[in-house]
Formats: sequence, C-alpha cells, structure tokens
Amino acid sequence: RKEVEQDPGPFNVPEGATVAFNCTYSNSASQSFFWYRQDCRKEPKLLMSVYSSGNEDGRFTAQLNRASQYISLLIRDSKLSDSATYLCVVNGFGGATNKLIFGTGTLLAVQP
Amino acid sequence: DARVTQTPRDKVTEMGQEVTMRCQPILGHNTVFWYRQTMMQGLELLAYFRNRAPLDDSGMPKDRFSAEMPDATLATLKIQPSEPRDSAVYFCASGLALAGYPYFGPGTRLTVL
Repeated sequence: RKEVEQDPGPFNVPEGATVAFNCTYSNSASQSFFWYRQDCRKEPKLLMSVYSSGNEDGRFTAQLNRASQYISLLIRDSKLSDSATYLCVVNGFGGATNKLIFGTGTLLAVQP
Repeated sequence: DARVTQTPRDKVTEMGQEVTMRCQPILGHNTVFWYRQTMMQGLELLAYFRNRAPLDDSGMPKDRFSAEMPDATLATLKIQPSEPRDSAVYFCASGLALAGYPYFGPGTRLTVL
C-alpha cells in the first residue's frame, strides 16, 4: 500500500459545481496534514492545513477522519481558476515529524 | 516577499556528466527538503535537513546523489554521474519545523540526454 494515495482524476466539473477529493494515508501516527495546489509547470503551494476539527477557508473545506485514515477537500462553487492539481500531504513517516510525503495529486479541470 | 530560490532553472546535460543544483532557503527557515517530481512517480522526497543536519536521505540513490548544506543559506544536490532516468523537476522547499509545512522553490528542470 502506498503511504499516501489519491485518485489521480481528472475531475472534469462545470463552473459552479461542488467537487470533493479524498486522500488516504497508511501511517496511523501521522499528526500533520495539508493540501497543496500545483498549477501546470509551477511549484506546489500550500492551500490549507487540515485540522482534527475540520477547517474552512472561503469555498474550501478540509476534513480529517483519523479512524479511517483519510483527509478530504471540498471545493464549493468551482471557478475556472480552481483548475489545478491538488496534492495531499501527510507527515510523520518513520517517526519523523517533518518527513512530509505527498500524494500523486488529483487533477481538477473546471469547464466553462 | 521571501521566497525559496533555485538555480539553475533549466539544465540539459549529457549522460555521465555531473549536475549540481543549488537552493537558497527562506531566511530563518530551519528545515530544508529536496523533492523530485516526475509524471510517473509524482513528488518523491529525496532528503531533508533540520538546522543543516541531514535527517533522512533514504529516498536518494546513494551511489550517485548527494545532498549537503554548507551553510544556512545554501543547500546543494549533486548527481554524479547523471543518467537519463534522472530527468525530472527537482524542487527545494524550506520551512519552520514547528509549522510543519514547507514553501517550495520554482524547481530545476533537469534533462539528461
């Protein structure tokens, strides 16, 4: 089993749609979780951290389910500018708190 | 606006040549990462440092790759000798250990012919 797994997509959605991505992780001891966004031929950029209680930032909502070892990202009212690859990130592998492992990413294409 | 810088941005070389990639982390950041990204494998962690000390380089092919931090403002990744399968985008990222998340540089796009 991969350490961090994501559905690669692509997710093709119309503008205004709600879309959700899931990410599963193998290390039950992981403590930190993040979502990054990567545009084509650019570097990954932090989108948001994922807290145990769930957190929201505008149209974006991130949630953590420790029992099932997955995190999710919900995007409401999709914009064309949301088109990108979304990377799930998990820490703590090998007992190392700063060892961050990235999923392979989920490609989102928002259509006009 | 503090940023991670990487040089060179693009590198084309021939198989067998030495390649050195450089990274200047954001001032004050104490954790530095090297990642490699390919279409097939995604982002792979090669090595990371905290306070300039290497903490984990298990993701690196030891026979040809080496990563160092000669000082707090410079991290290097060397490949010697390079092979076509090393072709990828190499990202450096830096962060604060307590914050947990890193900021990425623009990457070095390496092509080994």
